[in-house]
Amino acid sequence: NAGVTQTPKFRILKIGQSMTLQCAQDMNHNYMYWYRQDPGMGLKLIYYSVGAGITDKGEVPNGYNVSRSTTEDFPLRLELAAPSQTSVYFCASSPLYEQFFGPGTRLTVL
Amino acid sequence: QKEVEQNSGPLSVPEGAIASLNCTYSDRGSQSFFWYRQYSGKSPELIMFIYSNGDKEDGRFTAQLNKASQYVSLLIRDSQPSDSATYLCAATTGGFKTIFGAGTRLFV
Repeated sequence: NAGVTQTPKFRILKIGQSMTLQCAQDMNHNYMYWYRQDPGMGLKLIYYSVGAGITDKGEVPNGYNVSRSTTEDFPLRLELAAPSQTSVYFCASSPLYEQFFGPGTRLTVL
Repeated sequence: QKEVEQNSGPLSVPEGAIASLNCTYSDRGSQSFFWYRQYSGKSPELIMFIYSNGDKEDGRFTAQLNKASQYVSLLIRDSQPSDSATYLCAATTGGFKTIFGAGTRLFV
């Protein structure tokens, strides 16, 4: 099992550009999550999904969108990137409560 | 605003000593509690979870939960240099959402 995979590992965006962060899991977990982690801080929940076709907002959803068309994939879309979105983004999946994290995407917006 | 609070540290303990990490949570409805370890530049990994009041032991790790005081702790016995990391406390809230604390940095 690959577990949770994320691409890309690193990305630099210019202000106003858009991009999609990819996340996939091969553990057949229903629950998937997107977090951002700013330096020295904990994880802030952006969006989560309890199954294919079902998504909901977390603590900091503004500026982001998600979709969940399959159990395996949960992409995060950034529209009109802003410097405040510079962060490390983690995707996680869970069979119920315990979460398994991907390696993260380090995003810089200049 | 539902929160999980941790002392950011750093907490420094000598090799072989017991490290004690603490966390409080604000949502009385939280049912499940987790400790994740995060090495610098890496993703968090689950090391302990606890659902019931009392202690839960796994090897050198013991998680303690006191729902009346809304308090969770993690004890690491015989601390090793490889235990040096940031420890994130987390609590479920509002169904399947999880709130994370900011983490405590541990140096051994």
